[in-house]
Amino acid sequence: AQTVTQSQPEMSVQEAETVTLSCTYDTSESDYYLFWYKQPPSRQMILVIRQEAYKQQNATENRFSVNFQKAAKSFSLKISDSQLGDAAMYFCAYNTGTASKLTFGTGTRLQVTL
Amino acid sequence: GAGVSQSPRYKVAKRGQDVALRCDPISGHVSLFWYQQALGQGPEFLTYFQNEAQLDKSGLPSDRFFAERPEGSVSTLKIQRTQQEDSAVYLCASSSRRGQAWGDSPLHFGNGTRLTVT
Repeated sequence: AQTVTQSQPEMSVQEAETVTLSCTYDTSESDYYLFWYKQPPSRQMILVIRQEAYKQQNATENRFSVNFQKAAKSFSLKISDSQLGDAAMYFCAYNTGTASKLTFGTGTRLQVTL
Repeated sequence: GAGVSQSPRYKVAKRGQDVALRCDPISGHVSLFWYQQALGQGPEFLTYFQNEAQLDKSGLPSDRFFAERPEGSVSTLKIQRTQQEDSAVYLCASSSRRGQAWGDSPLHFGNGTRLTVT
């Protein structure tokens, strides 16, 4: 079975600084997708960034980028120039191309301080 | 509407009561998912619809949980004889993509229904 592990229950970063959130996963599949979702207090899950496993190039979306290490089954999220609005729960998630469901990690709560 | 709408936003039920949670997906979205998110945990998959067909219900925790989408748009998640362990946030999500390989098409989530069973 696929599992997703987020070993950092909480992280804190100062405004304008950079923070990295960790995620590891376990799978026997060769073709899959990885995601980072943000969940603010409103509870709505918002897609931050997405990575296809067959792509070697790391995905980037403005201040958000990933470090995808396929052999190590690692998928970390880097947030640059952190803003107060980045404070939220962040979930790493996995999906295979043939499965209907997302498998989520347990989340990392990110605090952004002045 | 512009996004996925869920109602009610909060629901308190006494143990043993039946509840019904509603999801209005984005218009035209063919795929619809239900997830259960316990306190302090990530969401866990419950069930998946493609139009009105329930293609995957492997995540439903017991036969007290039932989901339907009779006309391929609005979906209802029903929980019979609620138990305290059913307390959680129930998230609905929809996608425009048909079929199971939707990794390149984003899921749009609603704000969820927080169910508290007392």
